[in-house]
Amino acid sequence: EAGVTQFPSHSVIEKGQTVTLRCDPISGHDNLYWYRRVMGKEIKFLLHFVKESKQDESGMPNNRFLAERTGGTYSTLKVQPAELEDSGVYFCASSQETGANNEQFFGPGTRLTVL
Amino acid sequence: AQTVTQSQPEMSVQEAETVTLSCTYDTSESNYYLFWYKQPPSRQMILVIRQEAYKQQNATENRFSVNFQKAAKSFSLKISDSQLGDTAMYFCAYAKYSSASKIIFGSGTRLSIRP
Repeated sequence: EAGVTQFPSHSVIEKGQTVTLRCDPISGHDNLYWYRRVMGKEIKFLLHFVKESKQDESGMPNNRFLAERTGGTYSTLKVQPAELEDSGVYFCASSQETGANNEQFFGPGTRLTVL
Repeated sequence: AQTVTQSQPEMSVQEAETVTLSCTYDTSESNYYLFWYKQPPSRQMILVIRQEAYKQQNATENRFSVNFQKAAKSFSLKISDSQLGDTAMYFCAYAKYSSASKIIFGSGTRLSIRP
């Protein structure tokens, strides 16, 4: 069974540009999560989808970040315009059921560098 | 707000030794989950072990065990007979029992196993 995949693995962009990150969850997983880790700090929750609906977007830092999950399959996270502080590793995770007792399976992450 | 603290940014031990990674957390909840995740170099983060706060017995998974001290809000991970493949970033994490989604992570401990 394929795991969670993320694309691209690395992205280097200039400040002010736009970047779109993609996450493909494990097939059949209705729950999809985005997290990010800014250099050396803790991994922080960004948002949670159940199918195509945003269940919790309390961690989204500001309106430069837009997450979508059309059709309830893959998800995209767009940063527009990117700022220097957006640099970090963006992780996606998926789980079959909702609830903290259901294991979240993580992707390898996308390392974003904003110059 | 819930927080997770890992006070050891880096640790290094010899192969076959036992190592303990520390983690403390803060919450006003009475029931919750605690986790240790492992992220090997250039690989995906995986769940190592999970503890439910209402369970008195410490969780174990083969060479991995935890020391859960609820009153002290401490959740350390012990790795016995350490192996080279245990080299990784280790993240301590917390989730409310009732949480639909959000996992709160510590800043991580980079563990190196020396041959």
